Amino acid sequence: DVKVTQSSRYLVKRTGEKVFLECVQDMDHENMFWYRQDPGLGLRLIYFSYDVKMKEKGDIPEGYSVSREKKERFSLILESASTNQTSMYLCASSARLARPYEQYFGPGTRLTVT
Amino acid sequence: AQSVTQLDSHVSVSEGTPVLLRCNYSSSYSPSLFWYVQHPNKGLQLLLKYTSAATLVKGINGFEAEFKKSETSFHLTKPSAHMSDAAEYFCVSGGYNKLIFGAGTRLAVHP
Repeated sequence: DVKVTQSSRYLVKRTGEKVFLECVQDMDHENMFWYRQDPGLGLRLIYFSYDVKMKEKGDIPEGYSVSREKKERFSLILESASTNQTSMYLCASSARLARPYEQYFGPGTRLTVT
Repeated sequence: AQSVTQLDSHVSVSEGTPVLLRCNYSSSYSPSLFWYVQHPNKGLQLLLKYTSAATLVKGINGFEAEFKKSETSFHLTKPSAHMSDAAEYFCVSGGYNKLIFGAGTRLAVHP
């Protein structure tokens, strides 16, 4: 069964802290994605990666960075967390040759920055 | 540029009655279109996908959607709602490297 896991379901951090969100997929997918989900805005793409050590900015990359050292793992980093980064974060993965471009999602991490 | 508009932020139906969740897309080419569902505290699950093979697409749990190019619509329907259908639904347009999400429609089902 397809599986995307995220390291935490709930996380509370203080303003200014460095925050790591981890995502692991077991499907040998080439592509991995980080989204944030906010009420009334749907999902917005932060960053994606189509190969190890490769990354591309999505629609809202400001304040975030990513790391992909291994194919199965994609990390989202908030260098200095701010209250406007309080949100639900969703990780997804897909196969490079998938047609159409079907993504599999993890359960999400609800991050609160106080 | 691609965009997706879900016309209703909330829809409320009674159990056993039909469900209609509306979605319009804009794209300069024939898009791939999806509907995803998100149950409370769960990840997104793919309900169905349109790939240009057939305009009427059947998905899981009795849902289906019809692609209408002339109306640029991809509405999601189900003949008879079940309590377990209560969730948030996202209409999504897909390209090679990117998915464009609508804002979501929250479906409530009343006994």
